[in-house]
Amino acid sequence: DAGVIQSPRHEVTEMGQEVTLRCKPISGHDYLFWYRQTMMRGLELLIYFNNNVPIDDSGMPEDRFSAKMPNASFSTLKIQPSEPRDSAVYFCASSHTRGDTEAFFGQGTRLTVV
Amino acid sequence: SQQGEEDPQALSIQEGENATMNCSYKTSINNLQWYRQNSGRGLVHLILIRSNEREKHSGRLRVTLDTSKKSSSLLITASRAADTASYFCATGKGGSEKLVFGKGTKLTVNP
Repeated sequence: DAGVIQSPRHEVTEMGQEVTLRCKPISGHDYLFWYRQTMMRGLELLIYFNNNVPIDDSGMPEDRFSAKMPNASFSTLKIQPSEPRDSAVYFCASSHTRGDTEAFFGQGTRLTVV
Repeated sequence: SQQGEEDPQALSIQEGENATMNCSYKTSINNLQWYRQNSGRGLVHLILIRSNEREKHSGRLRVTLDTSKKSSSLLITASRAADTASYFCATGKGGSEKLVFGKGTKLTVNP
């Protein structure tokens, strides 16, 4: 398996624009996590899914953020409208059981909102 | 808010020396995991220790867990320049699928 695949790797957008980040988890994994990493706040869990169903979105910062998982092999994180303070590295991770096994991370999407 | 807090925030050592990083957490846990992140890359899992375990080894890595003190340590022995990275602890809370990460320790190993 190629691991967790995220796209794009880098995204530069203007304030107010819609941004969509994409993730393909490892085949067979039934948990998918979206994290955001900044220098100030570290690695924050935004939302996670189990069997394509959102379980906990309490980490989503605002209504401008939304996430979907239409099937077991694809998830999106959307920011609309984007703001400069959304600039961060966004990671997707997947695992195949409950939180007592390791999570596999993608390479991340570095988002810059200008 | 972060569950785990790593200490120190940054550590600089010479190649061949041992590196020790600590992690403290606040609530009950099911397990504690250590991850490594090279600059500009995703996190990579290193080792997992369950709440009923006290010590675990994997190659040059040694992890201890003290649930009474709510703390863990990661020891890297005979460090190499390639060990330069940020190291994070993550806690899995009992009954929860969430993994909550600390802010990490940035380790620099000088050749």
